[in-house]
Amino acid sequence: ETGVTQTPRHLVMGMTNKKSLKCEQHLGHNAMYWYKQSAKKPLELMFVYSLEERVENNSVPSRFSPECPNSSHLFLHLHTLQPEDSALYLCASSRGGGNTDTQYFGPGTRLTVL
Amino acid sequence: KNEVEQSPQNLTAQEGEFITINCSYSVGISALHWLQQHPGGGIVSLFMLSSGKKKHGRLIATINIQEKHSSLHITASHPRDSAVYICAPHSGGSNYKLTFGKGTLLTVNP
Repeated sequence: ETGVTQTPRHLVMGMTNKKSLKCEQHLGHNAMYWYKQSAKKPLELMFVYSLEERVENNSVPSRFSPECPNSSHLFLHLHTLQPEDSALYLCASSRGGGNTDTQYFGPGTRLTVL
Repeated sequence: KNEVEQSPQNLTAQEGEFITINCSYSVGISALHWLQQHPGGGIVSLFMLSSGKKKHGRLIATINIQEKHSSLHITASHPRDSAVYICAPHSGGSNYKLTFGKGTLLTVNP
């Protein structure tokens, strides 16, 4: 256990559905991240929040909408997704931002869009 | 083109062998992370280094900033080391952005 939990672990949704992914960290960290990992492709950073403020949006389509209500929780709201959005979505947290902080990853949500 | 190249892409070893995974990157960096991803998706950060060498148990990571190259070594490999190992340099610009390699799939047979 890394101290970062994600729910649900698996999600199957249609293209017209709206769903949300949840991430919670119990480490007292100030920065939280969403990553996407597609089959046979490298991890891609999607969003970064630091002290509940979005500090990085890596050209992610608007059908993905993040929310960070406090420093322990991070959501990724999904709507009108496409089949190519099927992937493993990973949440991570770190003590602060910056390149010197270790990131702790959650187990991921395996998303399938039909 | 990915700015991070890892080699080999796949590696099969016998238990006890010494393992080396290489990472080359094209951008200037100030730090580099090595991550381990087990089947099922969970990722663990192994090392963060900005110069020289770090050791943790049977794992050793080295980096040569001038050569833009890093290596991860595993001594006395064990089947439980079987995983995907990912190199992630911290690229310039945003303080938060890591660039990830495609990973090296390591299988250690008993």
